[in-house]
Amino acid sequence: QVQMVQSGAEVKKPGASVKVSCKTSGYTFTDYHIHWVRQAPGQGLEWIGISRSNDDITAYAQKFQGRVTMTRDTSTSTVYMELSSLKSEDTAVYFCAREMELTYLFDYWGQGTLVIVSS
Amino acid sequence: QSALTQPASVSGSPGQSITISCTGTSSDIGAYKYVSWYQQHPGKAPKLMIYDISNRPSGVSNRFSGSKSGNTASLTISGLQAEDEADYHCKSYTTSYSYVFGTGTKVTVL
Repeated sequence: QVQMVQSGAEVKKPGASVKVSCKTSGYTFTDYHIHWVRQAPGQGLEWIGISRSNDDITAYAQKFQGRVTMTRDTSTSTVYMELSSLKSEDTAVYFCAREMELTYLFDYWGQGTLVIVSS
Repeated sequence: QSALTQPASVSGSPGQSITISCTGTSSDIGAYKYVSWYQQHPGKAPKLMIYDISNRPSGVSNRFSGSKSGNTASLTISGLQAEDEADYHCKSYTTSYSYVFGTGTKVTVL
């Protein structure tokens, strides 16, 4: 069965960086793109960006340009999302989600990773 | 890219029907059929309920239906049940090759 298991909660100080992992299994890793989405406490979902499966290209929401980096390790079917220059407003639960190319839907999600930014 | 606009809350009694709206622009909802809806229970990951405006994934109850008119998409839940109490989020692909989510709607079953 499809599984997307994310790394554990993190507490970071303002200005630091955080790297969250999303380890996938149960499907052909290279057949699906991976998206990252976050949800601040009591707020809606916010799209961060995509790590494409077939050409290793990444694309980020304008808001996160210059602060986010997504990478993938095909040997372990894992995708990483690193966010730098953290601010208190980055406190949120971060989700990974998969999309088969050209379907524009996110059919499986990770369990979420809580990132707290606090001095 | 501004978030799509959803009502903060919608409520209904068991058995009733409710509709959640999701309003965007001609650069997102109005531009494509790629509107989807996600259900999220507290502390859980979102679950896909509707894709391509009105299609249901396998396993999703036919009590859930979707539609679109112009720049506004809608999700209707008929025969409301206690288990439907959750947050609902719309999402659209955009002309900027990105995605935008809605502000989220809390559904309460009275």
